[in-house]
Amino acid sequence: AQSVTQLDSQVPVFEEAPVELRCNYSSSVSVYLFWYVQYPNQGLQLLLKYLSGSTLVKGINGFEAEFNKSQTSFHLRKPSVHISDTAEYFCAVSYTGRRALTFGSGTRLQVQP
Amino acid sequence: DAGVIQSPRHEVTEMGQEVTLRCKPISGHNSLFWYRQTMMRGLELLIYFNNNVPIDDSGMPEDRFSAKMPNASFSTLKIQPSEPRDSAVYFCASSLDDRGKNEQYFGPGTRLTVT
Repeated sequence: AQSVTQLDSQVPVFEEAPVELRCNYSSSVSVYLFWYVQYPNQGLQLLLKYLSGSTLVKGINGFEAEFNKSQTSFHLRKPSVHISDTAEYFCAVSYTGRRALTFGSGTRLQVQP
Repeated sequence: DAGVIQSPRHEVTEMGQEVTLRCKPISGHNSLFWYRQTMMRGLELLIYFNNNVPIDDSGMPEDRFSAKMPNASFSTLKIQPSEPRDSAVYFCASSLDDRGKNEQYFGPGTRLTVT
């Protein structure tokens, strides 16, 4: 079965520190990869996506992610977080030919002053 | 663009009542998705439509749930009869179909509470 694993349910971090949110997926076929952010009481918003090409993808709000095919990972990083980055982050995978997304369980990023 | 519009934003109903959730996708998008979000199960795909046709409804929990898309600008998700375990946030999302490459745009969600 196709699945997406976000290893950390919560990540506390101090403001201006770097952060990495981990995501692994199960796949034996080509995939498209996405990171979404959900602020409290809101819908999900796309941060970045990987379709093909360069394995390092840059997104909005200073976030970036690296696709690693051999490790089936797509970890999200930011070199210096802000209080406003406090939110829930979801990794999602679209398996080639299938329009629907499979989401991970989410990681709650808590940025502390 | 107004984005994906969902109504109502909040719904509180008693067990056994019928609930109808509504969604207006972004104009021009031809794929529409219904998701449910709970603490226990996270984000689950319930059903999705392409060009108004249901493509995959394997995520619909049971016969109490039904979804329709009578035209390109409107979809409904109905629960009849509702049960307390249906309490969740229901999201609608739309995208311009390109075999999964394009991002999905999410609505603000409908928070359903069944007492």
